[in-house]
Amino acid sequence: EVQLVESGGGLVQPGRSLKLSCVASGFTFSNYGMNWIRQAPGKGLEWVAYISSGSSYIYYAETVKGRFTISRDNAKNTLYLQMTSLRSEDTALYYCARPVSPWGQGTLVTVSS
Amino acid sequence: DVVLTQTPVSLSVTLGDQASISCRSSQSLEYSDGYTYLEWYLQKPGQSPQLLIYEVSNRFSGVPDRFIGSGSGTDFTLKISRVEPEDLGVYYCFQATHDPPYTFGAGTKLELK
Repeated sequence: EVQLVESGGGLVQPGRSLKLSCVASGFTFSNYGMNWIRQAPGKGLEWVAYISSGSSYIYYAETVKGRFTISRDNAKNTLYLQMTSLRSEDTALYYCARPVSPWGQGTLVTVSS
Repeated sequence: DVVLTQTPVSLSVTLGDQASISCRSSQSLEYSDGYTYLEWYLQKPGQSPQLLIYEVSNRFSGVPDRFIGSGSGTDFTLKISRVEPEDLGVYYCFQATHDPPYTFGAGTKLELK
């Protein structure tokens, strides 16, 4: 069974950093590109970043480009999102997602002073 | 960037009725490999989005056959025949055909009349 478990969220002050993790199981992680997707409270879904299976291709939404870094460790079956210079508008539930697969429960990031 | 326009924004139905949701793309979603990477998700209250349909018309594992995806090019439709209580929530279309940014529609809320 495919499982994705996100962690690392929390309350952080504006301008600070936070690193999210997503541990994958139930499939061969190294064979799949992966996405981070977020949802601000009461809002719709926003795609954030993508990384290819071997990390050769990386893309970001304009809203996070230059501040967020997506990475992965295929030996650890883990996807990461390093977030810096956080803003109040980054407050959201962050999901990692594999194409054509169930999502995890997400991890909540709250940016507030 | 590809813009996905979902209509209607909200839809009130009686249990047992059919519901139809439209998703129109600003560009054709047919990829050079012949596939069309258009997906449909349902987000029930308090839950993560769940994949219903991938590649326009393929039902994900465990999705009832009352969910039918169709369309091509720039026009896509999700039909739900015989709406049941567990079908209520917000529906999103999503495209991953074109190079990122990948995009979601703004959502359609399905509720009881």
